[in-house]
Amino acid sequence: NAGVTQTPKFQVLKTGQSMTLQCAQDMNHNSMYWYRQDPGMGLRLIYYSASEGTTDKGEVPNGYNVSRLNKREFSLRLESAAPSQTSVYFCASSPNYQSYEQYFGPGTRLTVT
Amino acid sequence: QKEVEQNSGPLSVPEGAIASLNCTYSDRGSQSFFWYRQYSGKSPELIMFIYSNGDKEDGRFTAQLNKASQYVSLLIRDSQPSDSATYLCAVNRGGSQGNLIFGKGTKLSVKP
Repeated sequence: NAGVTQTPKFQVLKTGQSMTLQCAQDMNHNSMYWYRQDPGMGLRLIYYSASEGTTDKGEVPNGYNVSRLNKREFSLRLESAAPSQTSVYFCASSPNYQSYEQYFGPGTRLTVT
Repeated sequence: QKEVEQNSGPLSVPEGAIASLNCTYSDRGSQSFFWYRQYSGKSPELIMFIYSNGDKEDGRFTAQLNKASQYVSLLIRDSQPSDSATYLCAVNRGGSQGNLIFGKGTKLSVKP
């Protein structure tokens, strides 16, 4: 049981490049989340998926898109990376949207130059 | 007003002492409260949650909730150097199930 996994662990992009961050969970959870964590800002919710087939914006969605591919997988796409998107990105999952207990993946450290 | 506030620290305690971490929140509709531990360079790890007023104990950890004062705390008894980490308080956004608001965290340092 790996829990929540994320790929890649590290990534460097040039401004304007695109990439997709991958997240998968094997806990049969219904809800999944993407956060970013910046120094002095704490964790901020980018997008979430309450259940398979649904996605909604969080606090800071601009510049990102998401896809809930199936119950296990939730990806985050940066279409045109900007230096302001340099951050550590965490994926999390919870049993369902009524359960607030979220479990986090190991994170992706992204640098945009 | 910030939604979830924590003292950023660092909070330094000697080994074996009680560490007390505090958190206040602004949304009176919040019903669920969480403490996460985050080691440097690692992801947040859920260590406690509390939904009702009062105390909840789990091993060396005790979470305390006072909804009237909009205050939640985490006590760590018999603190160990391995408890040195940043502790994040999280609160559900009232009326929005599953949507958590995180504080910026308190850095705890336990000195041997």
